[in-house]
Amino acid sequence: DVKVTQSSRYLVKRTGEKVFLECVQDMDHENMFWYRQDPGLGLRLIYFSYDVKMKEKGDIPEGYSVSREKKERFSLILESASTNQTSMYLCASRLQGAPNYGYTFGSGTRLTVV
Amino acid sequence: GENVEQHPSTLSVQEGDSAVIKCTYSDSASNYFPWYKQELGKRPQLIIDIRSNVGEKKDQRIAVTLNKTAKHFSLHITETQPEDSAVYFCAAKVGGSQGNLIFGKGTKLSVKP
Repeated sequence: DVKVTQSSRYLVKRTGEKVFLECVQDMDHENMFWYRQDPGLGLRLIYFSYDVKMKEKGDIPEGYSVSREKKERFSLILESASTNQTSMYLCASRLQGAPNYGYTFGSGTRLTVV
Repeated sequence: GENVEQHPSTLSVQEGDSAVIKCTYSDSASNYFPWYKQELGKRPQLIIDIRSNVGEKKDQRIAVTLNKTAKHFSLHITETQPEDSAVYFCAAKVGGSQGNLIFGKGTKLSVKP
C-alpha cells in the first residue's frame, strides 16, 4: 500500500518564523505535489515536482518555496510565516505515467500561524 | 487552462436515497476523471475513476458517468449510508502523461439516518 507521510499532523508557529513541512513517500513515485485546503476554496496547488531537483509553481506559490533533493522527499517551506498561511496542507504523490494517473495523499498538516 | 466546476457545494439526503454530484470541465483534451472522498479529519482517497474512452463505470453502490460532448461527469451513490457522509472532490487530468489533476471545490455530503 502506497504511503505518503507528512511529518506533523498539527503545527503552531509564530508570524515571521521559517516553517518546514515535510512529506515522504515510499513507493518510488516521480511526481509530488503540495496543496493547501481551505473551506469553500477546495484544493489549491502551491508547488509540484515531476522528479528530483525539479520544481514548478502551481496556482498560489507566493510566500512558499520547495525542495526536492531526494526522490522520496518533498519539502514545503514558508520563508516567513504569516497568519493568512494558516491552513491545512496536503502532500500528494503519483507514479509518472501510471495507468490511472491518480494521486495518493498524505494525512495533512494543519498549520496555525499566530 | 483547465477549469473544473462542481455542484452542489452541499448535499443532504436521507439514508437509503441516492446522491448525485456533477462536475463540468473546460478542456476537451482532458482524458482522466477521478473522484476522491475525504472523511472528516482524514486524507482524500480515490474511490472511482473513469477514462475518456468510457461512458460509465460502476463499483458496487457508486458509479461515474461521463459525457464528453457536454464535458461533464457525475458521481452517483445509491442506497446511501451514514458512512457515505464526507466531502467529495472531482478532478480532471489535463492532456499528456504528466498532466496535473485539476480539482473541483468539493461537495459536502450529509446522509441523515
